[in-house]
Amino acid sequence: DAMVIQNPRYQVTQFGKPVTLSCSQTLNHNVMYWYQQKSSQAPKLLFHYYDKDFNNEADTPDNFQSRRPNTSFCFLDIRSPGLGDAAMYLCATSRKGLADTQYFGPGTRLTVL
Amino acid sequence: SQKIEQNSEALNIQEGKTATLTCNYTNYSPAYLQWYRQDPGRGPVFLLLIRENEKEKRKERLKVTFDTTLKQSLFHITASQPADSATYLCALGNTPLVFGKGTRLSVIA
Repeated sequence: DAMVIQNPRYQVTQFGKPVTLSCSQTLNHNVMYWYQQKSSQAPKLLFHYYDKDFNNEADTPDNFQSRRPNTSFCFLDIRSPGLGDAAMYLCATSRKGLADTQYFGPGTRLTVL
Repeated sequence: SQKIEQNSEALNIQEGKTATLTCNYTNYSPAYLQWYRQDPGRGPVFLLLIRENEKEKRKERLKVTFDTTLKQSLFHITASQPADSATYLCALGNTPLVFGKGTRLSVIA
């Protein structure tokens, strides 16, 4: 089945220790997104790739970076995680446009000790 | 400022009744609106999309309405079941999509 896969599902890191979350998709979609979601809150868009074009949301901290080496893979790097970065990180894709239906992965739950 | 509000954080309903969830927005003019279901610890799953020129959309036990004058969408689940218990998010068809916080629905047997 075509899908969006996120690894790992659970990630524990230490305060200030860099961490990378990964996302892959078999849908061959053009657009890939990274969201941060905290408990009982809306998913907050961090950035998205429209094909190879990277778009950062204005309020995304510099601590968060992303890479998309090819159509299928996208990575979220958190350079120096703080306690406030503990959250669920969701990867999503959409076929063509930014307002298209989004297909989400299962998420990675990040804990910062 | 732009705002999306989903009626309440939590809604409890008896099995078999119709659940109605509300999504209100201000200072947006979306061409369409989407509804997603999110289970605990999982990513959202797309349910329905309704365009601004459509009054109503149905899929099995789900019905969505979209009133661009009132700036409101209603999401109905008829004959609700405990398996419908989840958080339901509305998302405005902006570029990119803008999500609401969601309403946590609990269907009690």
